[in-house]
Amino acid sequence: DGGITQSPKYLFRKEGQNVTLSCEQNLNHDAMYWYRQDPGQGLRLIYYSQIVNDFQKGDIAEGYSVSREKKESFPLTVTSAQKNPTAFYLCASSIAGRGSSYEQYFGPGTRLTVT
Amino acid sequence: GQQVMQIPQYQHVQEGEDFTTYCNSSTTLSNIQWYKQRPGGHPVFLIQLVKSGEVKKQKRLTFQFGEAKKNSSLHITATQTTDVGTYFCAGRAGGYNKLIFGAGTRLAVHP
Repeated sequence: DGGITQSPKYLFRKEGQNVTLSCEQNLNHDAMYWYRQDPGQGLRLIYYSQIVNDFQKGDIAEGYSVSREKKESFPLTVTSAQKNPTAFYLCASSIAGRGSSYEQYFGPGTRLTVT
Repeated sequence: GQQVMQIPQYQHVQEGEDFTTYCNSSTTLSNIQWYKQRPGGHPVFLIQLVKSGEVKKQKRLTFQFGEAKKNSSLHITATQTTDVGTYFCAGRAGGYNKLIFGAGTRLAVHP
């Protein structure tokens, strides 16, 4: 059963702690993405990766870090430097390629609450 | 930077009424995608439009891409309660598959 998994669904952390959100896909997609969604707002791109061992900053990368050591995995670390980390985090994947767009498949998301 | 504006932010309709959401980009888009997010769920791809003036239909849903490739719309005919959710447009920016999402239109359908 192909798809994207994110865990956990809900995550609670104390302010000042780093936290890593997992994202795994078995769709054999080269490209993976992390988005942040706040109430009443659209999806804002944090980081994206077109290929293993390579990734680029999105529009709101400050306070976040990622790694892409395996094709299937694209973990996101929310660091203590992120001023407003409480949000719904969505991971997505797609076929990679220039000159065209491909639909993005989204995971179920992780709702992070930092107090 | 590139922006994609989407209106309205919210729309409440009676079941059976029509619904339309509009997207406008500050720059010409290579293509535009539409996604639907059910309450508590994640975005699910609906369709992609590529050609200037393109119109595509999926049952009661009609998608249009403007002649200048700067705007798009999604029209739902005779809404049903299953149409409830937030509809997002997303325009492609740059040479890679990086999308700029609109803020979404949340649709509520009253039976």
